Amino acid sequence: GAGVSQTPSNKVTEKGKYVELRCDPISGHTALYWYRQSLGQGPEFLIYFQGTGAADDSGLPNDRFFAVRPEGSVSTLKIQRTERGDSAVYLCASSFDRDANTGELFFGEGSRLTVL
Amino acid sequence: AQKITQTQPGMFVQEKEAVTLDCTYDTSDQSYGLFWYKQPSSGEMIFLIYQGSYDEQNATEGRYSLNFQKARKSANLVISASQLGDSAMYFCAMRGPYNTDKLIFGTGTRLQVFP
Repeated sequence: GAGVSQTPSNKVTEKGKYVELRCDPISGHTALYWYRQSLGQGPEFLIYFQGTGAADDSGLPNDRFFAVRPEGSVSTLKIQRTERGDSAVYLCASSFDRDANTGELFFGEGSRLTVL
Repeated sequence: AQKITQTQPGMFVQEKEAVTLDCTYDTSDQSYGLFWYKQPSSGEMIFLIYQGSYDEQNATEGRYSLNFQKARKSANLVISASQLGDSAMYFCAMRGPYNTDKLIFGTGTRLQVFP
């Protein structure tokens, strides 16, 4: 498809386990963002990539969270030693370079993570 | 620091009527952008409208318009001729100047359109 693709759409895991969430952005988009959305809240910024490098990772809550984008396209959000508080919907978004237009973000449908 | 405030947790509107969703923002930057997104129950965030801080006219996109009052730091979304399909969560968001590319979101307003 032409949109942002996120897998898995749902993930249930046990406390302490390791989880990977994948995002495939729109082709040609140089910027990629990860957000976390808890129930009843707005999306909370986690990390932003411009190309392969993390331009801003100030939203990562702690060192259990890590994200990569090795070839400047697909990105993986990695969560180690999951905790129940990590349960949320993880949203990925991509955009063109800011100069091209308003810099509108195109979002995927999210990965719902449940930590038991 | 930038902040977005949406004070209406929920709003009701009758079909075909207009509704205004409130958004105020706080920033010390001169250059910034304001966005509205819609999130239906499916979960996907759908871009609705954008307003740049230097845009002199209020943005419009079909039935959506943004009532931008810079001095009051407000960016309210107006939906005209509401439709049942407009029922969703609506989020206001802000982006800072060029070196700050992330969007900061408000807590959202749940809009319910009834027949």
